Amino acid sequence: GAVVSQHPSRVICKSGTSVKIECRSLDFQATTMFWYRQFPKQSLMLMATSNEGSKATYEQGVEKDKFLINHASLTLSTLTVTSAHPEDSSFYICSAAGTENTEAFFGQGTRLTVV
Amino acid sequence: RKEVEQDPGPFNVPEGATVAFNCTYSNSASQSFFWYRQDCRKEPKLLMSVYSSGNEDGRFTAQLNRASQYISLLIRDSKLSDSATYLCVVTRGGADGLTFGKGTHLIIQP
Repeated sequence: GAVVSQHPSRVICKSGTSVKIECRSLDFQATTMFWYRQFPKQSLMLMATSNEGSKATYEQGVEKDKFLINHASLTLSTLTVTSAHPEDSSFYICSAAGTENTEAFFGQGTRLTVV
Repeated sequence: RKEVEQDPGPFNVPEGATVAFNCTYSNSASQSFFWYRQDCRKEPKLLMSVYSSGNEDGRFTAQLNRASQYISLLIRDSKLSDSATYLCVVTRGGADGLTFGKGTHLIIQP
């Protein structure tokens, strides 16, 4: 199956700093990328959807100025958590979909801990 | 009514037994259905797509009932390694995001 690479897998940062998470599709062109957040013992929650070259669409309750998403190319999307707080600590997962299918392929996830 | 609902479990099942769980969805416009497996602290991985005619992959059988708006997953001859959370996933298709159920936690006991 298609491969999506997410980096870093783990990051610990101090409160107030910003963290950038990268999501790359390695063998297909991802026209759409999705960013999810998962708190312990809960399901994945969609944060935002981004289409290459356009602004991301954020789900209700997700602050677009805090979670900056850039999808500048068909193989790369980034999520930047700005001015991170401990409550932002979570598991962030990206997924990517091409034009021809509805299946989305997941990155390995990033475990963010804000101290 | 939640868009995708699953019984969270946990389902405690002896090794070798057959286990089945369902997932209901509320949006009749949903087009594609999947079962994902998620191990603790890992990303979800596609287990199988669910087709209208039903499909089988080894010990796993998935079925779709559009009239009643539910999908099911059956695991035969369960193994210890089947212990995981099984996520029901629904999409309206195209570039729509996936809608996840909260998952069903399955524990296979020796």
